[in-house]
Amino acid sequence: AQSVAQPEDQVNVAEGNPLTVKCTYSVSGNPYLFWYVQYPNRGLQFLLKYITGDNLVKGSYGFEAEFNKSQTSFHLKKPSALVSDSALYFCAVRDPFNSENTPLVFGKGTRLSVIA
Amino acid sequence: NAGVTQTPKFQVLKTGQSMTLQCAQDMNHEYMSWYRQDPGMGLRLIHYSVGAGITDQGEVPNGYNVSRSTTEDFPLRLLSAAPSQTSVYFCASSWGSSYNEQFFGPGTRLTVL
Repeated sequence: AQSVAQPEDQVNVAEGNPLTVKCTYSVSGNPYLFWYVQYPNRGLQFLLKYITGDNLVKGSYGFEAEFNKSQTSFHLKKPSALVSDSALYFCAVRDPFNSENTPLVFGKGTRLSVIA
Repeated sequence: NAGVTQTPKFQVLKTGQSMTLQCAQDMNHEYMSWYRQDPGMGLRLIHYSVGAGITDQGEVPNGYNVSRSTTEDFPLRLLSAAPSQTSVYFCASSWGSSYNEQFFGPGTRLTVL
């Protein structure tokens, strides 16, 4: 069965510093990996995804993520954090090995606080 | 293009009452799903549909029913509300292929007393 873990409930970073939000996954085949962001009282917004190809993927708002197959990780990064990046971040995985219709499985979320 | 819309935004029910949460999308997406979001639990899949007339259970389906008579609509029915169903409910849709990202609605905040 597919699963995803976000080991940190909360990440605090100073504005202007680099940020990392961690994600590890478990699937039987090659994963499809996604990052979403949720601002207060809003639905989730798609940030970026890894399907195949280059291990470093770039997404919205200056975010990027690196797929590491050997470590089964897909950490979200940004070189310079902004206060407006403060939000709840979700990693999600889908394993298409068994079925094209396999649902997306989400992690529990990591709350990012960027301090001015 | 309204994207994914959900109604109502807020709802308070008494234990035992029934209601339907509405979800509609205007992007001709094949895949639609319902999630609930609870503190510290992330998003948990309730039911999903891969096309009109086809639905399947997710991780936490008990107490909920769905149907998909059209591509656009995917209502979620609470048959007999319980306090454990107090949550924020999100509907999402995507193109059929599994590598496509999902688009989320704004959510419905449900309180069951």
